[in-house]
Amino acid sequence: QSALTQPASVSGSPGQSITISCTGTSSDVGSYNFVSWYQHHPGKAPKFMIYEVSKRPSGVSNRFSGSKSGNTASLTISGLQADDEADYYCCSYAGSSTLIFGGGTKLTVL
Amino acid sequence: QVQLVESGGGVVQPGRSLRLSCAASAFTFSNYGMHWVRQAPGKGLEWVALIWYDGSDKYYADSVKGRFTISRDNSKNTLSLHMNSLRAEDTAVYYCVRSLASYSGDDLINHAFDVWGHGTTVTVSS
Repeated sequence: QSALTQPASVSGSPGQSITISCTGTSSDVGSYNFVSWYQHHPGKAPKFMIYEVSKRPSGVSNRFSGSKSGNTASLTISGLQADDEADYYCCSYAGSSTLIFGGGTKLTVL
Repeated sequence: QVQLVESGGGVVQPGRSLRLSCAASAFTFSNYGMHWVRQAPGKGLEWVALIWYDGSDKYYADSVKGRFTISRDNSKNTLSLHMNSLRAEDTAVYYCVRSLASYSGDDLINHAFDVWGHGTTVTVSS
């Protein structure tokens, strides 16, 4: 199975909003409301940010929000902060107890 | 606090074997499915394997099926990954990850990763 498709990079200025897309197929993103998002600062453990498309775990800022339409999920970060600069990965359940990640998006805060 | 600590990484020749371990603490290990996720140098995250909370079911990515075996010992709160016939493309940081699961009808779906270890590095090279 091929990785979900994410843009390689996005950027924004402090205070702005950005959206990262995650495109899959009707066999994964399009079939299940089990899309999750992870923030990864290089050298650190990835951080769990969004699950079941739009739910936020306890402790995650409400500046982070998720949505889905058809085969494409999206992560929106509002009020960009310098510490948001990181790699972001989407992940979808793909059936038969397997999961598939996106290729990752590098967010640069200008 | 909830913690996962991996060990066992190192440098290994192609074709050889290696066993990774993960020690879990501060949560009821036997209640959770567990995964291994890896990241090759310069690449993205890749799901590797899943084991159910009671060890009854195991699932693998196609890239490791038949070569890697995931196992757990709930009496010792430990997760393992036995890696055989290692290849250069298995070079990666390997993360031990706790699973978030939900019921969809009668099916228990392990669909996200809520607690991550800091990873252990495996290098396959001659």
